Amino acid sequence: DAGVTQSPTHLIKTRGQQVTLRCSPKSGHDTVSWYQQALGQGPQFIFQYYEEEERQRGNFPDRFSGHQYPNYSSELNVNALLLGDSALYLCASSEIGGSAREKLFFGSGTQLSVL
Amino acid sequence: AQSVSQHNHHVILSEAASLELGCNYSYGGTVNLFWYVQYPGQHLQLLLKYFSGDPLVKGIKGFEAEFIKSKFSFNLRKPSVQWSDTAEYFCAVNARNTNAGKSTFGDGTTLTVKP
Repeated sequence: DAGVTQSPTHLIKTRGQQVTLRCSPKSGHDTVSWYQQALGQGPQFIFQYYEEEERQRGNFPDRFSGHQYPNYSSELNVNALLLGDSALYLCASSEIGGSAREKLFFGSGTQLSVL
Repeated sequence: AQSVSQHNHHVILSEAASLELGCNYSYGGTVNLFWYVQYPGQHLQLLLKYFSGDPLVKGIKGFEAEFIKSKFSFNLRKPSVQWSDTAEYFCAVNARNTNAGKSTFGDGTTLTVKP
C-alpha cells in the first residue's frame, strides 16, 4: 500500500521563476493538504484540497496556488519565487470522513531552494 | 489564531532516562491535539492524539501525553527512552470543528538519546 509520494525530492530555482510540486495521496485518501517547513521551524499550513476544490487556506499569498485532479493527486504552484520561499514543502493526505479524518499521513517532502 | 509553543528546542538524554517535552498552545476554542515524530531520514508520522475524554493518552512506542486544559498544555512523556527514540518531535493543534488537514505545528524539539 503506497504511502504519500511527492516529486521531485529536490528542486533549485531562481528568483522570479515559477515552480510546480506534485503529490499523490495515500491509497484510499481523498484530501490533500500542503505545508511549508522552513529550516528550524515546524510545518506551516498552506491550503487543503478536497473534491478538486481548495477548502481551507492558511496565511499565504496568492502566489501560492494549487490543484487537485479527479484521481486525488495534487499540485502546488508557486509563482514569482522569492528567496524566502526556500523550504521543505510537505504534502499530507487524509480521509475526509470518519475517525481517520484526524490522522494525517505525510510525504517525505520536496526541498525547494531559491537562488 | 492558533499558536503552539515548544519550549525545548534540543534535548539530550542518556538511555533509560525519563522524557518530558513541553507543549503549550493558544486558542480560544475547543481543540484537537497531536504529537508527531520524525525519525532521521523518515517522514513525519503520528505519535498520539487527543480529541476528548481521558486527558491521558497513550501512543505508540510507550509514549504518552497529558492534556491539562487549565494550562493549555499537552506535554509528551516517556518513562525510559531508547537510542531509537532519537528524532524530532512536533506538537500540533487544530480547531475541533476542522480536520487535521489544517493543523498548527510548533517548531519542534530535537531529541538526542545517547547510548
